[in-house]
Amino acid sequence: AQTVTQSQPEMSVQEAETVTLSCTYDTSESDYYLFWYKQPPSRQMILVIRQEAYKQQNATENRFSVNFQKAAKSFSLKISDSQLGDAAMYFCAYRSAWSGGSQGNLIFGKGTKLSVKP
Amino acid sequence: SAVISQKPSRDICQRGTSLTIQCQVDSQVTMMFWYRQQPGQSLTLIATANQGSEATYESGFVIDKFPISRPNLTFSTLTVSNMSPEDSSIYLCSAGRTTYTDTQYFGPGTRLTVL
Repeated sequence: AQTVTQSQPEMSVQEAETVTLSCTYDTSESDYYLFWYKQPPSRQMILVIRQEAYKQQNATENRFSVNFQKAAKSFSLKISDSQLGDAAMYFCAYRSAWSGGSQGNLIFGKGTKLSVKP
Repeated sequence: SAVISQKPSRDICQRGTSLTIQCQVDSQVTMMFWYRQQPGQSLTLIATANQGSEATYESGFVIDKFPISRPNLTFSTLTVSNMSPEDSSIYLCSAGRTTYTDTQYFGPGTRLTVL
């Protein structure tokens, strides 16, 4: 079974600075998808960024980028120029790309609570 | 992306009663999922609901406790039956537009408190 581990329960960053959130995962599959979701106090889960395992290039979305290390099974999220609105719970998630597997549901880590200091 | 709404957004219920949560998607989707998020915890999948077939439940969740309907490609309901305080959680609906490889989008969640 696949597992996702986020080892940082809480992180803090100064506004305008850069912060990196860690995520590792365990799988025997070669083809899969990785995601970072953000959950602010409103509890709406918002997709931040997505990475396909077959792509070597790291995904980027504006101020958000990932460092995907497939061999190390590591998928960290870097937030540049942090803003107050970035304060939220961040969840790393794994999804199999195999249709015969878990029917496509997401496997989540326990989350990292990010605080942004003005 | 898909826009997903849920009703109710929150509710306070008495022990032993049932609550049905509705999930509406703004476009047709193949796969819909129901997750539970207990206070301060991560998300746990309850079941997968695909139109035209019975919902598939994860280990630890049973149909008698969490019956699910999926009458069409834009709508699903989750019922929490015979509630106890341990059912107090946020319940989230998510949907993927077409295939297993599609990104899942989430509704705003339903915060349930059972007294």
